[in-house]
Amino acid sequence: SQQGEEDPQALSIQEGENATMNCSYKTSINNLQWYRQNSGRGLVHLILIRSNEREKHSGRLRVTLDTSKKSSSLLITASRAADTASYFCATEAANAGGTSYGKLTFGQGTILTVHP
Amino acid sequence: KAGVTQTPRYLIKTRGQQVTLSCSPISGHRSVSWYQQTPGQGLQFLFEYFSETQRNKGNFPGRFSGRQFSNSRSEMNVSTLELGDSALYLCASKLERWQLGTDTQYFGPGTRLTVL
Repeated sequence: SQQGEEDPQALSIQEGENATMNCSYKTSINNLQWYRQNSGRGLVHLILIRSNEREKHSGRLRVTLDTSKKSSSLLITASRAADTASYFCATEAANAGGTSYGKLTFGQGTILTVHP
Repeated sequence: KAGVTQTPRYLIKTRGQQVTLSCSPISGHRSVSWYQQTPGQGLQFLFEYFSETQRNKGNFPGRFSGRQFSNSRSEMNVSTLELGDSALYLCASKLERWQLGTDTQYFGPGTRLTVL
């Protein structure tokens, strides 16, 4: 079963606009990662944020994490047509051993379409 | 460094057959995880291997199995294929450090399995 939910399920914007995607999850986590997937291909890692971090930036990407609300958001600024893809959040659950041994639990994803 | 590679990229099988998929992790990565992606269930964790040992397993029937070799390459096998096994199978590797398990998982391009 999926750990979390992503919102919105689909987002359509014009080039140059910002895109914001949200992710909610259910259990305590070690980290949360965002991935991009183009047309059923492999997943491309975008950014990892640890449970003790609140915000992280990478280029045009900004990720926030609110562990009290069990939610995260991904902001893509100044979007481009090449950003058109599905975006997934994935959580690594916290456990007593400190690692979930590779298990990532994914949301259902947000389909982003950026029109030129 | 070369990324995660998966072979074959595409497979067509018939019900009742078995299939073996292969994954070569990024050089130096010893943790390999497998995921199944379908339109209905999304991305689901199958299992994870580290140093030839399965450390974690998802909620899949025993027809799904895997193994890891001493060079960290991994294979997964699906026996007695069913139509519902049609999916994109993704492999991911990570460089596991012993602090908090916060390493990024890097995904391969996937193997598209079609069961007729």
